[in-house]
Amino acid sequence: DGGITQSPKYLFRKEGQNVTLSCEQNLNHDAMYWYRQDPGQGLRLIYYSQIVNDFQKGDIAEGYSVSREKKESFPLTVTSAQKNPTAFYLCASSLVYNEQFFGPGTRLTVL
Amino acid sequence: AQSVTQPDIHITVSEGASLELRCNYSYGATPYLFWYVQSPGQGLQLLLKYFSGDTLVQGIKGFEAEFKRSQSSFNLRKPSVHWSDAAEYFCAVGGYTGTASKLTFGTGTRLQVTL
Repeated sequence: DGGITQSPKYLFRKEGQNVTLSCEQNLNHDAMYWYRQDPGQGLRLIYYSQIVNDFQKGDIAEGYSVSREKKESFPLTVTSAQKNPTAFYLCASSLVYNEQFFGPGTRLTVL
Repeated sequence: AQSVTQPDIHITVSEGASLELRCNYSYGATPYLFWYVQSPGQGLQLLLKYFSGDTLVQGIKGFEAEFKRSQSSFNLRKPSVHWSDAAEYFCAVGGYTGTASKLTFGTGTRLQVTL
């Protein structure tokens, strides 16, 4: 089945630690995205990538980093510089001029 | 700057009743418009989209939406709600930069269905 996988589903981290969230797609989509979702705030764009080895900052990129070494993969690192990292993180992908497809999400909790 | 307003944070309807969720947008050009649905702890599923053409768009699960340019609205409707429709609904507006779409999401409307 084609789709987007995110792992892990739940992630716990101590303050001051970096953590990497995985996102993989087998839809052959060019573009991939990372969003952060907080209660009552909808989705906010962190980073997006149009092609391999290229990515752009979204609206809330501070404290996050990404890489796009393969078309299928777009991992997100939440660094210790992110002041309030506890949130639900969603990865998405799309073909040009088409809708975005979303993964099941990763819930990150900082202890 | 593009923006989306979903004025209703929470709506409760009885099963079998009709539903309309409101969405107003601000966008500088012809917008691409989307409605997504999210169950608790899950990802988003696309209900329907408007890119161009017929302003009344049909989607999955019996949903439809109408694009009204003069009112900058893209309201979601369903003639008869089922208990399984209880979820959170997001409206989104955007355009394209290169191969990527830049979407702005509303804050969502949580739908509760009473039996």
